[in-house]
Amino acid sequence: AQKVTQAQTEISVVEKEDVTLDCVYETRDTTYYLFWYKQPPSGELVFLIRRNSFDEQNEISGRYSWNFQKSTSSFNFTITASQVVDSAVYFCALSEAWGATNKLIFGTGTLLAVQP
Amino acid sequence: DAGVIQSPRHEVTEMGQEVTLRCKPISGHNSLFWYRQTMMRGLELLIYFNNNVPIDDSGMPEDRFSAKMPNASFSTLKIQPSEPRDSAVYFCASSFQRNRGEQYFGPGTRLTVT
Repeated sequence: AQKVTQAQTEISVVEKEDVTLDCVYETRDTTYYLFWYKQPPSGELVFLIRRNSFDEQNEISGRYSWNFQKSTSSFNFTITASQVVDSAVYFCALSEAWGATNKLIFGTGTLLAVQP
Repeated sequence: DAGVIQSPRHEVTEMGQEVTLRCKPISGHNSLFWYRQTMMRGLELLIYFNNNVPIDDSGMPEDRFSAKMPNASFSTLKIQPSEPRDSAVYFCASSFQRNRGEQYFGPGTRLTVT
């Protein structure tokens, strides 16, 4: 069965600190996709990134970076120089790469509070 | 291009009433998903459609819930009769099936059943 675990329920940091959100997943599939979504206080869910299990290169987008390590089944998300606008709930998710379904399995989310 | 559109944004109803939530997916997307979010259970997938056909409705809590997608640009989620425990935020999301999991969410409908 597929499962996504986000052990950190809440994290609080002060603006300009770096913060890493952890994500550990379980799947029997050899090919799969991993995702991060952001849910700001306004409530909508915003797609941030998708990663194919074949591609273990780390990715950087501005202040955001993602570290995918297949050996530890982890897909961690780091925000560098955090800002108050980064305050949100962040969800990690997993989906299979093949087959008829493309449903997402979400983790329980990590609430990030960035204090000014 | 407009994102996923949901209506209403807020709905307050009394127990026993019928509730209909509406969703217009992003044009060109061929997969549509209905989710429910509560504090207790987090994000739950209720049902999803590929090419207007329901593929997996195993997340639909009970027979009081039903969903339809009569065409590629419209879907409804109906609760009849509604109960207080149905109070939640209901999200609709759409994607292009080949872009596995890259789903785009609507703003959600906050449902309160009193």
